[in-house]
Amino acid sequence: DAGVIQSPRHEVTEMGQEVTLRCKPISGHNSLFWYRQTMMRGLELLIYFNNNVPIDDSGMPEDRFSAKMPNASFSTLKIQPSEPRDSAVYFCATTGGSGPQHFGDGTRLSIL
Amino acid sequence: GEDVEQSLFLSVREGDSSVINCTYTDSSSTYLYWYKQEPGAGLQLLTYIFSNMDMKQDQRLTVLLNKKDKHLSLRIADTQTGDSAIYFCAESGANNLFFGTGTRLTVIP
Repeated sequence: DAGVIQSPRHEVTEMGQEVTLRCKPISGHNSLFWYRQTMMRGLELLIYFNNNVPIDDSGMPEDRFSAKMPNASFSTLKIQPSEPRDSAVYFCATTGGSGPQHFGDGTRLSIL
Repeated sequence: GEDVEQSLFLSVREGDSSVINCTYTDSSSTYLYWYKQEPGAGLQLLTYIFSNMDMKQDQRLTVLLNKKDKHLSLRIADTQTGDSAIYFCAESGANNLFFGTGTRLTVIP
């Protein structure tokens, strides 16, 4: 089992640039979650999908953030334009049915 | 909304037992989870307990659940330096998990 795979592991870019984070869920898992982790705010749920459909995006901070899940094996989280306050670790987690969530190793994003 | 609370820090000496506490608000949660996060890594599922259980033991880990007080604890016996990490408590919602702030456990050699 390869686990949840996120890419890139690290991203450093200048403010104003577009950032795309990627996630490959565990095969067979039908729910996918995007989280953001910072020292100040802890772990925040941004959005989650069930069977590729966005169910709750109330945690998405603003219109600069968007997420897609075009198929069962791939999801993206995009920030455009990026700002320094978006610097954080972004996690993807997936689950099958009502089981526990399995997390990827995260993308550490730094916006200069 | 759901509110999961944990103390932020805990320090113990190597070989002692660690007890990490958590309180939650949603009495209808089906499962309660403990995750471990090591530096630079994602959250790793440690153990979980079904809401109709009082206790679950898994090697050095013991989970205690007091449903009346909505209190969950994780006891780590014979704590090792490799146990140093952040531990998150989480309760299950309808389609999601609600996480606490995490407790940073420091093990002193």
